[in-house]
Amino acid sequence: QSALTQPPSASGSPGQSVTISCTGSSSDIGAYDYVSWYQRLPGKAPKLIIYEVYKWPSGVPARFSGSKSGNTASLTVSGLQAEDEGDYYCASYAGNNGPYWVFGGGTKLTVL
Amino acid sequence: QVQLVESGGNLVKPGGSLRLSCAASRFTFSDYYMTWIRQAPGKGLEWLSYISSDSDYTNYADSVKGRFTISRDNIEKSVFLQMDSLRAEDTAVYYCARLGPANSFDFWGPGTIVTVSS
Repeated sequence: QSALTQPPSASGSPGQSVTISCTGSSSDIGAYDYVSWYQRLPGKAPKLIIYEVYKWPSGVPARFSGSKSGNTASLTVSGLQAEDEGDYYCASYAGNNGPYWVFGGGTKLTVL
Repeated sequence: QVQLVESGGNLVKPGGSLRLSCAASRFTFSDYYMTWIRQAPGKGLEWLSYISSDSDYTNYADSVKGRFTISRDNIEKSVFLQMDSLRAEDTAVYYCARLGPANSFDFWGPGTIVTVSS
């Protein structure tokens, strides 16, 4: 049950785009299209922003987009806004021996 | 809007026990699988356990298997995490989350803090 690998930090100026990677293995990201992304703003609970690699929950702006290639998933935030600053976590289902999930270590996004 | 509120976090000595609760509201609780997830200081999120809607199926992360037990009460609309043989490395914020579409966690509570220290 190894954690997924994310860069510890990412940054961009308002209006720019930034991409956060999430690398797993053939047992998790590579095996299932059950990759999800979570945003945690300061002092708040994590919020689902992408599920099933690229789908948006209701109310999440299309500025957030997801993709996957092989064992690596990516989250792109376009048109960066100040309120996007926070921590972002990826997760993947990895159900080999009974359902379980693995998370990334998190990426702190700074809007410059 | 879905609401989840955890409670029961506290300071406990190594080897001790604690029972966390998560009260759910504003959705049909008995229709959903529920999970517990934690975040230790300075670390990422870690999935701990899940329970099926009718309690028939559960599973645990290796780090807590044999020490933690998940359960639920669909009448009371609550999910619980019984934590035994606690260790310093179990110190974390503990979240309950609803299992949503495509194995995602679509709603989370604000978390409850567990500190294991002598």
